[in-house]
Amino acid sequence: QKEVEQNSGPLSVPEGAIASLNCTYSDRGSQSFFWYRQYSGKSPELIMFIYSNGDKEDGRFTAQLNKASQYVSLLIRDSQPSDSATYLCAVIESSASKIIFGSGTRLSIRP
Amino acid sequence: NAGVMQNPRHLVRRRGQEARLRCSPMKGHSHVYWYRQLPEEGLKFMVYLQKENIIDESGMPKERFSAEFPKEGPSILRIQQVVRGDSAAYFCASSPPGQATNEKLFFGSGTQLSVL
Repeated sequence: QKEVEQNSGPLSVPEGAIASLNCTYSDRGSQSFFWYRQYSGKSPELIMFIYSNGDKEDGRFTAQLNKASQYVSLLIRDSQPSDSATYLCAVIESSASKIIFGSGTRLSIRP
Repeated sequence: NAGVMQNPRHLVRRRGQEARLRCSPMKGHSHVYWYRQLPEEGLKFMVYLQKENIIDESGMPKERFSAEFPKEGPSILRIQQVVRGDSAAYFCASSPPGQATNEKLFFGSGTQLSVL
């Protein structure tokens, strides 16, 4: 069973600090990795994607990928209360037949 | 440029009835995914379809559930003889044609199914 694992949290971070969210995946052949944000009662929205090893930065968000360790992370700098949400890690299986989501990490930014 | 449209937003059914959930992908998108989400849980993959084809239905229960994406019209997720355990949010997502490794999903607002 190919899986995507995330710590369910909640992860509590003070406003202005860096929030670090982690994800591991079991399918070594996976090539594409995504982070989605989901506010309570809303649908997920794509915030970052990464295909290559290393870091990818977009504004306050940085995605990090280490294929050797089968590990992908999301860093949120200068955390804001509006960042409080559930963050879902998603991976395209090596067969490219489907996109698998982790169970999500609840992030709470405290003022 | 309309996004992914799902309807209805809320659907109430009694046990044993049928539920039909509809999804119209974004314009130009030919790939449709259906996911189920229980409260406080992640998205569980159900089925991946392209126009007139089921690509992967490994997440679909073997009985009572079916999905289609006809040449014309929306994708339909059909649940026959619903039970209380089917109560969940059902999300549809679409992506444009192209290599699967570049598939970024755009989600609809979901259908909240409640089975009484």
